[in-house]
Amino acid sequence: QSALTQPPSASGSPGQSVTISCTGSSSDVGDYNYVSWYQQHPGKAPKLMIYEVTKRPSGVPDRFSGSKSGNTASLTVSGLQAEDEADYYCCSYAYSNNYVFGTGTKVTVL
Amino acid sequence: EVQLVESGGGLVQPGGSLRLSCVASGFTLSSYWMQWVRQVPGKGLVWVSHINEDGSSTGYADSVKGRFTISRDNAKNTLYLQMNSLRAEDTAVYYCARGGVPAAYDYWGQGTLVTVSS
Repeated sequence: QSALTQPPSASGSPGQSVTISCTGSSSDVGDYNYVSWYQQHPGKAPKLMIYEVTKRPSGVPDRFSGSKSGNTASLTVSGLQAEDEADYYCCSYAYSNNYVFGTGTKVTVL
Repeated sequence: EVQLVESGGGLVQPGGSLRLSCVASGFTLSSYWMQWVRQVPGKGLVWVSHINEDGSSTGYADSVKGRFTISRDNAKNTLYLQMNSLRAEDTAVYYCARGGVPAAYDYWGQGTLVTVSS
C-alpha cells in the first residue's frame, strides 16, 4: 500500500490554472475509476472536491475538474483564487478492499 | 445539518489500547459506509479502515491490520475504532468520515488526537 505520488508543491497567480498530478499503479489508479480529491486548509478537516475521477459534489465550484489517463489522475484548478491556497490530496480505491491516499500537494496562490 | 464528532483520543503508553468513537447526527448512519483516516500533524492523510452500512464488510490498512478493529452501532449513531497494541507511529489525529458518494467521503469530523508515548 504505497502512497500515490503527488508533487510536493504547485503555484499560480490569481486567475491562472494549476494542475496537480497523482501517479499510482495498475493496482489502484489504473484499475479503478474511483479517484477522489480532497482540499485541506491548515487546522481543518479535509473537504471532498472530486469523486469518481471527474464528478463534483454539490457546492464545489466548477473551477475544479478532474481527469485520468492510465495510472495518473489529475486535478485542475482554473481561475485560481486566494481561498484555493491549501493542501490537496488524491485518493484511490485499491485492490483488496482498501484505499490509498496521495502524498499531498501544497498549492500556493502567488 | 450533517455532523460527525470524534472522541476518545488522548495519551497512551506503547502497547496500550484506546477506543475512538464518532457520533453521527443529521443523517441516518445505517445508510452509509464510514471510514477512519489519520494524519500525523504536518504530514499527509493516511487511510486506516472502512466499514459498510451494516458492519458485515470491513477493510484495513496493512499497518493496522490485526491491531485495530472498526465497528459500528447504528442504533446509537456511533462508529468506533478499537486500537490495541499501540505504537509510537500510531500517533496522529484520527478523523472519521461518511461515504456519501461512491468510493469517496463527503463529510468529515474535526478529528481526535492520539498520542502514543511513554
